[in-house]
Amino acid sequence: EAQVTQNPRYLITVTGKKLTVTCSQNMNHEYMSWYRQDPGLGLRQIYYSMNVEATDKGDVPEGYKVSRKEKRNFPLILESPSPNQTSLYFCASSAGLAGGTEQETQYFGPGTRLLVL
Amino acid sequence: KQEVTQIPAALSVPEGENLVLNCSFTDSAIYNLQWFRQDPGKGLTSLLLIQSSQREQTSGRLNASLDKSSGRSTLYIAASQPGDSATYLCALFIYNFNKFYFGSGTKLNVKP
Repeated sequence: EAQVTQNPRYLITVTGKKLTVTCSQNMNHEYMSWYRQDPGLGLRQIYYSMNVEATDKGDVPEGYKVSRKEKRNFPLILESPSPNQTSLYFCASSAGLAGGTEQETQYFGPGTRLLVL
Repeated sequence: KQEVTQIPAALSVPEGENLVLNCSFTDSAIYNLQWFRQDPGKGLTSLLLIQSSQREQTSGRLNASLDKSSGRSTLYIAASQPGDSATYLCALFIYNFNKFYFGSGTKLNVKP
C-alpha cells in the first residue's frame, strides 16, 4: 500500500531534550516536506527536500533541522525543543513537478502530535 | 509572501444541498492548486489537483475550478452528505520558491 508513515504519532517531552520524528514514504517520491499545524495559523511549511541531499527552508524553519540521506526518509530533528514547538506535525511527499496531476499530488502522513513541557 | 484565504471559516448546511467553498490567493504565479480534506485528528487526504494551465478538475460529486487572473479557486460539492463533514483546505505550490502555502480551511458540517 502506498503511504507516508510517521513515528511517533504522539510525543510528550521536556524543554531542551533533543528529539527526532521520522518520516518514510514507499512511493519513490522525490519531493518531501514537513509542516506544522496550529489553530488559527493553518499549515505552515517547515522544510522541504527536492531530492536526496537537497533540502531547503520553508516558512518556519527556526528550531528545526532535517536531512535527506535516502530518497524514502526525511526525518525532522528538534535539537532543543521549546514549548512554542508544541504542535501537530505532518510529513508529505509527491513525485515531483511537471509530471501531471497524479505526480504533483501531495500525500500526507497521519501526523505527529508533539507536546513540549 | 503568498497569502491564502478561505471563506467562510465554517459552514453548516442541510443534507442534499449543493455548496461552494472559496479559496483566494495573492500571487498568480502558482504552479498548481490542490484541495484537501481533513477529518478531526487525522491527516490530509487529497481531493483534486488543478495545474496552472487547467481551469477545472472533477471527481465524482466534487468540482474544483481555478481562475489565476482573479486569484480564486472554488470547490463545488454537489448533493452534500453527512459524510462530507470535515475541514477543507486549499494549497498552492509556488514554483519560484518550491514551496506550498495553505489556507486556514473551511470547516463543513452537513446535517442529516
